[in-house]
Amino acid sequence: NAGVTQTPKFRILKIGQSMTLQCTQDMNHNYMYWYRQDPGMGLKLIYYSVGAGITDKGEVPNGYNVSRSTTEDFPLRLELAAPSQTSVYFCASRDRRDTLYGYTFGSGTRLTVV
Amino acid sequence: GQQLNQSPQSMFIQEGEDVSMNCTSSSIFNTWLWYKQEPGEGPVLLIALYKAGELTSNGRLTAQFGITRKDSFLNISASIPSDVGIYFCAGYNYGGSQGNLIFGKGTKLSVKP
Repeated sequence: NAGVTQTPKFRILKIGQSMTLQCTQDMNHNYMYWYRQDPGMGLKLIYYSVGAGITDKGEVPNGYNVSRSTTEDFPLRLELAAPSQTSVYFCASRDRRDTLYGYTFGSGTRLTVV
Repeated sequence: GQQLNQSPQSMFIQEGEDVSMNCTSSSIFNTWLWYKQEPGEGPVLLIALYKAGELTSNGRLTAQFGITRKDSFLNISASIPSDVGIYFCAGYNYGGSQGNLIFGKGTKLSVKP
């Protein structure tokens, strides 16, 4: 069982470059999430999706875009990278029917914008 | 928006000591969860609580869902070096947060052998 897989694990971007952070899950979960984690600041929700074709903004969506064309994949796009987007990004998923409300997280992508 | 206040922010303890951390909110939560994040990894669920007053154990970990539904605590007994990491509380509120979990800012635990 792979769970939630994120790629790449590390990336250095120059200001103004763009990139896509990949996230895929093999648990057939309906709900998927993107978080960023800054030191001492906990987890902040960027975007989320309740199913294929449906996405919505979280707490800090500016500078990011998402799409959800399949149940499995939920890529996060940075169009014009800025130093403020230096962070660790986590993708997570859960089953809509899961009464535990627990999320399964990927192992993260560490992004540095220079 | 809704916030969870988690304390302490960090702890430095000796191996074998007991640890206690807590989380409070101004809003009522229907579910409380505790996660652990080890260096270089994503958070992993430790304990989930669903009822006010509920006390749940998982090995050396014990967590309680406050009777007012606005707080929760996590205790770790007889700490060991592998307990090192960041512990997050998280809550779910049926009436708000758009159906998403709200996370505390974490308690960073360091254990000295």
